[in-house]
Amino acid sequence: AQKITQTQPGMFVQEKEAVTLDCTYDTSDPSYGLFWYKQPSSGEMIFLIYQGSYDQQNATEGRYSLNFQKARKSANLVISASQLGDSAMYFCAMREPAYSGAGSYQLTFGKGTKLSVIP
Amino acid sequence: SAVISQKPSRDICQRGTSLTIQCQVDSQVTMMFWYRQQPGQSLTLIATANQGSEATYESGFVIDKFPISRPNLTFSTLTVSNMSPEDSSIYLCSGGEQGAREQYFGPGTRLTVT
Repeated sequence: AQKITQTQPGMFVQEKEAVTLDCTYDTSDPSYGLFWYKQPSSGEMIFLIYQGSYDQQNATEGRYSLNFQKARKSANLVISASQLGDSAMYFCAMREPAYSGAGSYQLTFGKGTKLSVIP
Repeated sequence: SAVISQKPSRDICQRGTSLTIQCQVDSQVTMMFWYRQQPGQSLTLIATANQGSEATYESGFVIDKFPISRPNLTFSTLTVSNMSPEDSSIYLCSGGEQGAREQYFGPGTRLTVT
């Protein structure tokens, strides 16, 4: 079973509108971290936002917010006031456990969502 | 936040040759990772680079094909050996600290094997 599922291969949004990119995850570890990255056509991976499984509040970073619904195992990224520069691939990723002295910290990525912002 | 650089940024190589990719972090980090992103695909972890010991490889990746060095806490190299066109990918280096709420990536090395 996939650990990270992004069901939207592509999304379109009008400039200045908000958009939600979906991400569901699968883990039995109570401690985990969820990440969102943006990958423009240049190929670099840009860290956007992080949500820990024990965080009480949804994470926010500027125009990015994470709609974390733990019971549903979903961590959707909301981008407000879309800009043309937001056009890129967006990847959801999970690290399990979130914190561990002996564990590994690699990220497991979803397949990504290609966002296109329309002027 | 850590700033990670990679060299080269891109290369075109002939089949059967090897390429070494360098990853430099501007601060000491405990964990460094190498990922591969094949065209149109997501990122797949190749290995965790451990300082002072052998890298830990993921299933499907072997040391003979992807030897990794990690001489200190700010630097690592990945070699893609005996390349074939199937190795054409973006290779990304990543670094972070235990318990950190961020994990940063280098800009990637775009490799084309002809």
